[in-house]
Amino acid sequence: QVQLVESGGGVVQPGRSLSLSCAASGFTFSSYSMHWVRQAPGKGLEWVAVISYEGSNKYYAESLKGRFTISRDNSKNTLYLQVNTLRVDDTAVYYCARSEGHRSGPCDFWGQGTLVTVSS
Amino acid sequence: EIVLTQSPGTLSLSPGDRATLSCRASQSVRSNYLAWYQQKPGQAPRLLIYDASTRATGIPDRFSGSGSGTDFTLTISRLEPEDFAVYYCQQYGSLRTFGQGTKVEIE
Repeated sequence: QVQLVESGGGVVQPGRSLSLSCAASGFTFSSYSMHWVRQAPGKGLEWVAVISYEGSNKYYAESLKGRFTISRDNSKNTLYLQVNTLRVDDTAVYYCARSEGHRSGPCDFWGQGTLVTVSS
Repeated sequence: EIVLTQSPGTLSLSPGDRATLSCRASQSVRSNYLAWYQQKPGQAPRLLIYDASTRATGIPDRFSGSGSGTDFTLTISRLEPEDFAVYYCQQYGSLRTFGQGTKVEIE
């Protein structure tokens, strides 16, 4: 069955960096675009970034450009998100999700998320 | 960036009622690439509708989507107890953006 399992969350001090991972299984990872979406406590969903199925194209939410880097390793079926210079308002559950690789499509499967808390 | 505005913010209804949720875009959504998701507390979002009106796999037919251009609607024909949740629209015609959500609560 399709599985997306995020990891790497935890409590981090402001100004530090963090790397999140999303391990995929149960489907052909290299055929899907992959996304990061975050949700601050009690708030709505915020799309963060997408990477194309082969990894050559990456796009970010305009408001988040510069501190976030999405990447993938298709040989390891793993998606990554590097977040630099963390701020208190980066506190959120970070979800990875997939979408069709060869057309613009919705996120049809999501992981359960990993919580990142930015606090001193 | 396309801004999506959902209304109302909260919908208070009873089981068996019809729910109508609105999503309005700040500019036309390319190819009507508009999706609806359901999220329950402590859970990841679940895809309900994509391409404005196509139900995702396994979604009951009481859920339907309609609309085009800048105005889209999610209708739940008869609310079941498990339908009380938060609903988000998302456009994927120009990068991705989400609406702020509509909470469907028990009256």
